[in-house]
Amino acid sequence: NAGVMQNPRHLVRRRGQEARLRCSPMKGHSHVYWYRQLPEEGLKFMVYLQKENIIDESGMPKERFSAEFPKEGPSILRIQQVVRGDSAAYFCASSLHTGTTEAFFGQGTRLTVV
Amino acid sequence: ELKVEQNPLFLSMQEGKNYTIYCNYSTTSDRLYWYRQDPGKSLESLFVLLSNGAVKQEGRLMASLDTKARLSTLHITAAVHDLSATYFCAVDIPTGNQFYFGTGTSLTVIP
Repeated sequence: NAGVMQNPRHLVRRRGQEARLRCSPMKGHSHVYWYRQLPEEGLKFMVYLQKENIIDESGMPKERFSAEFPKEGPSILRIQQVVRGDSAAYFCASSLHTGTTEAFFGQGTRLTVV
Repeated sequence: ELKVEQNPLFLSMQEGKNYTIYCNYSTTSDRLYWYRQDPGKSLESLFVLLSNGAVKQEGRLMASLDTKARLSTLHITAAVHDLSATYFCAVDIPTGNQFYFGTGTSLTVIP
């Protein structure tokens, strides 16, 4: 049973481009969480999704950021018109049940905006 | 917003020594998690503490939770170089959907 898979592991984008980050949860998990880690900081919650639904997006910036978790396929975190401040590590976690107990983290996507 | 504070932020310790990392949080919760992160890697779950007075041990690491004091500790016994990493504590609340992470403790164990 593979763990939470994220790709790409590293992503470089020029200012103004779009970044798409993908997360495949563990098999059987239908709850996905996205977190952002800025350099030298802890992880900050962005969004919680279940299949086809956004449950809690209280940590998402109001503009340029969106997330989805379709019925089929991975969860996608999309950042439009990236800026230098978007450079960070983006981690996805998945869980089998509602709530955060027993959530497993992927290896992250490190986004660099140049 | 729930706040989680760790101290120290940076810790350099000699092999063989003992030390404790502290994690304070600002609201009522009885669910506390400790993670380890190596540079450029993901978070590895170390301990899940789900009740007041919970104590768990794995090798040279022992974690405890005092929900009344809103405090968790991660105690390191006889440190070895392999323990060098960043350690995060995280808290969630039963009705919530997210972890609240501390800022991390960067541990370096020197020979």
